[in-house]
Amino acid sequence: GESVGLHLPTLSVQEGDNSIINCAYSNSASDYFIWYKQESGKGPQFIIDIRSNMDKRQGQRVTVLLNKTVKHLSLQIAATQPGDSAVYFCAENIESGTGANNLFFGTGTRLTVIP
Amino acid sequence: NAGVTQTPKFRVLKTGQSMTLLCAQDMNHEYMYWYRQDPGMGLRLIHYSVGEGTTAKGEVPDGYNVSRLKKQNFLLGLESAAPSQTSVYFCASNQYSNYGYTFGSGTRLTVV
Repeated sequence: GESVGLHLPTLSVQEGDNSIINCAYSNSASDYFIWYKQESGKGPQFIIDIRSNMDKRQGQRVTVLLNKTVKHLSLQIAATQPGDSAVYFCAENIESGTGANNLFFGTGTRLTVIP
Repeated sequence: NAGVTQTPKFRVLKTGQSMTLLCAQDMNHEYMYWYRQDPGMGLRLIHYSVGEGTTAKGEVPDGYNVSRLKKQNFLLGLESAAPSQTSVYFCASNQYSNYGYTFGSGTRLTVV
């Protein structure tokens, strides 16, 4: 499968600032991308997704941007809060050829919010 | 609604021992997955299932076997555990193949 990479392994932001987490992907055929949040000792939690026919999608305090030209994905968190401290993973959806589309994950970015 | 439940949460095995990890979902999802998570390597797909009675290999299937005899359960087996299988194992499921997964809380396995 294609690898999904993240530019920065760690990110520290002041509480109240905006956070931007970046992700590069290499499979131009990927048509679906997801951001997950993982807190210590827990399983990944779905944050937001985006399909390849969109450039931007907004949720509550989060926005995902997709740039297919350069194969780049970003997650923006507005007014970052201490509860946002976690590891964030991007994942790309790749057709397996066996009836399932499998998710391939990046290595993650650890976001630390400084009070 | 429990979602995806994994048992056990922790386990220590000796090299060569066998064990089965259980994943149960109560959302009537068709698709189920087993991932392992190692430090600095993200999550890697071990095996998956597209429906009851089916299984398929993922990225890192060697040393593992799976079974999906009932739609709600997906079992991951280690026949002869090795230290390289020390990891955190996550199960996930979804109803449609190109939608986000719901993950369990993980099983931390240590092989000594």
